[in-house]
Amino acid sequence: GQNIDQPTEMTATEGAIVQINCTYQTSGFNGLFWYQQHAGEAPTFLSYNVLDGLEEKGRFSSFLSRSKGYSYLLLKELQMKDSASYLCAAMDSNYQLIWGAGTKLIIKP
Amino acid sequence: NAGVTQTPKFRVLKTGQSMTLLCAQDMNHEYMYWYRQDPGMGLRLIHYSVGEGTTAKGEVPDGYNVSRLKKQNFLLGLESAAPSQTSVYFCASREGQGAVNEQFFGPGTRLTVL
Repeated sequence: GQNIDQPTEMTATEGAIVQINCTYQTSGFNGLFWYQQHAGEAPTFLSYNVLDGLEEKGRFSSFLSRSKGYSYLLLKELQMKDSASYLCAAMDSNYQLIWGAGTKLIIKP
Repeated sequence: NAGVTQTPKFRVLKTGQSMTLLCAQDMNHEYMYWYRQDPGMGLRLIHYSVGEGTTAKGEVPDGYNVSRLKKQNFLLGLESAAPSQTSVYFCASREGQGAVNEQFFGPGTRLTVL
């Protein structure tokens, strides 16, 4: 079957670094997406990886290892506004997204 | 550009009532999706459309119907609402077949079925 696993909740301190892990199993693979979702709002796109390695976008970076079925989202210099849920989604062979349940990130001052 | 819009934003129904949720996008996207989001679960695909006049079932289609008569609109219907359909419903759209095209989401419809 198809499955995405990510931690339910994480806590970090303002100004610190946090890494959110995601493991996936899909029928075929066409890339890994990360979305951010603030409470009561819609998900918004953060990053996309299809090749192994690290993609950096400002304070956010995303890593992919296709052989391990593993990705992580790295957030640096955490700010209070980064408090949100982070959704991992893998695209299968039919170009459909399989979504994880999301990781709620709590930032403490 | 308004992006993806959804109406209504909130709705309370009684069991057995029917309603239609409207999704509209002004980005000329080919693909449109309806998801539901429940606490502790990932987004689950209800139905999707790869172009005007076409629809297909997703992971959880039972109890829902959809129509895509115009490219910019995607309607989700509940014929006889049940308490299990209490959820937040998100519509999304994306450009086309290319995998690098991310999905853009509407603000969501919060539906309660009593």
